[in-house]
Amino acid sequence: QKEVEQDPGPLSVPEGAIVSLNCTYSNSAFQYFMWYRQYSRKGPELLMYTYSSGNKEDGRFTAQVDKSSKYISLFIRDSQPSDSATYLCAMSTPNYGGATNKLIFGTGTLLAVQP
Amino acid sequence: GAVVSQHPSWVICKSGTSVKIECRSLDFQATTMFWYRQFPKQSLMLMATSNEGSKATYEQGVEKDKFLINHASLTLSTLTVTSAHPEDSSFYICSARGASSNNSPLHFGNGTRLTVT
Repeated sequence: QKEVEQDPGPLSVPEGAIVSLNCTYSNSAFQYFMWYRQYSRKGPELLMYTYSSGNKEDGRFTAQVDKSSKYISLFIRDSQPSDSATYLCAMSTPNYGGATNKLIFGTGTLLAVQP
Repeated sequence: GAVVSQHPSWVICKSGTSVKIECRSLDFQATTMFWYRQFPKQSLMLMATSNEGSKATYEQGVEKDKFLINHASLTLSTLTVTSAHPEDSSFYICSARGASSNNSPLHFGNGTRLTVT
């Protein structure tokens, strides 16, 4: 079983729709949760960062973390064609001693917003 | 914000040759840099973690003699793919973390697409 599971899509929605992207995970030690957006042939760009459980909102984006269910979500309101990209969830655990954090990524969900 | 620059953005090389990829932190000192590899339609897989001035730590299954990592300064890390083969063709991405941001999200470079012919 992978540590992080993410539906690869593709997900196609009309412009203006609300998009829901999700990841599940198995490692209860994950405490840091991130969403990255990756355009074709580019590096990942950080969108949202959440520590532990709860919601976080930034403009049209809302990130939710439910640690009891080991489930995280990213919602995009009023989706735009420019939102078309691959969305990657990523997670990490707290440091122990001198160890550095590693990010464990989902496979990414390819989103296409149709004008 | 934290900017990570990667060079080159793409490279084509012949089988058996070596290729060097640079990763620079432009506006902060990167005590730790991470090197990832991404195959088409797959996730990023961590290859190795490098701390400035010390040897890199490689993930299980990554050949350290094939993927040489040098983190000689606080703003530069290099990945050298030695004796490249077509199966090494991939998208290589670096990320960096500063000394005061131990649990802050990573910022990534724009990646290097390597094609080995």
